[in-house]
Amino acid sequence: DAMVIQNPRYQVTQFGKPVTLSCSQTLNHNVMYWYQQKSSQAPKLLFHYYDKDFNNEADTPDNFQSRRPNTSFCFLDIRSPGLGDAAMYLCATKGWIGELFFGEGSRLTVL
Amino acid sequence: DQQVKQNSPSLSVQEGRISILNCDYTNSMFDYFLWYKKYPAEGPTFLISISSIKDKNEDGRFTVFLNKSAKHLSLHIVPSQPGDSAVYFCAASLLTGANSKLTFGKGITLSVRP
Repeated sequence: DAMVIQNPRYQVTQFGKPVTLSCSQTLNHNVMYWYQQKSSQAPKLLFHYYDKDFNNEADTPDNFQSRRPNTSFCFLDIRSPGLGDAAMYLCATKGWIGELFFGEGSRLTVL
Repeated sequence: DQQVKQNSPSLSVQEGRISILNCDYTNSMFDYFLWYKKYPAEGPTFLISISSIKDKNEDGRFTVFLNKSAKHLSLHIVPSQPGDSAVYFCAASLLTGANSKLTFGKGITLSVRP
């Protein structure tokens, strides 16, 4: 059974039209992450939560926001997607030995 | 500045032979290293890890070697199987601290030929 679930798997939006990607977890882990991965590049950390404490990476654009209403859910909001934001967005939780459990990702296409 | 480097973008290996995937890092403070495997259209899945207090960790066909002085680690898969064909990411972390984060390499695409 999937432990980190991302929706939608595929999202197509228009330039400038807001998008929300969701992530839910059944592992009851305190830490959740959002990564952006573009083709042939390393996954890039956007931000993470330790419980409700939000930690933004210094180079994450303001266009990207996140919400974590409870332990199980985390959302990534892209307020005004640009063509450069087309990517795979990966949600992950952190396990006991520091390993990350990833969801299957949400692939965003910006037209 | 890339702190975790996987300099070879791809590797092709015959089924049954050994696959050796290499990874280098620059931050000597990293003390925990992980390998992830990723199939197309799926998220990365955790494969194996190693702490900096060890130089080898083995799990079935997968062995990770760590050379701290060279800031180098490698993943050995033996024997390689066609189902091992995937992208492999090396990642490094500072283990201590609730806010520790993983830094990933760009990945290497492994193709195992039948």
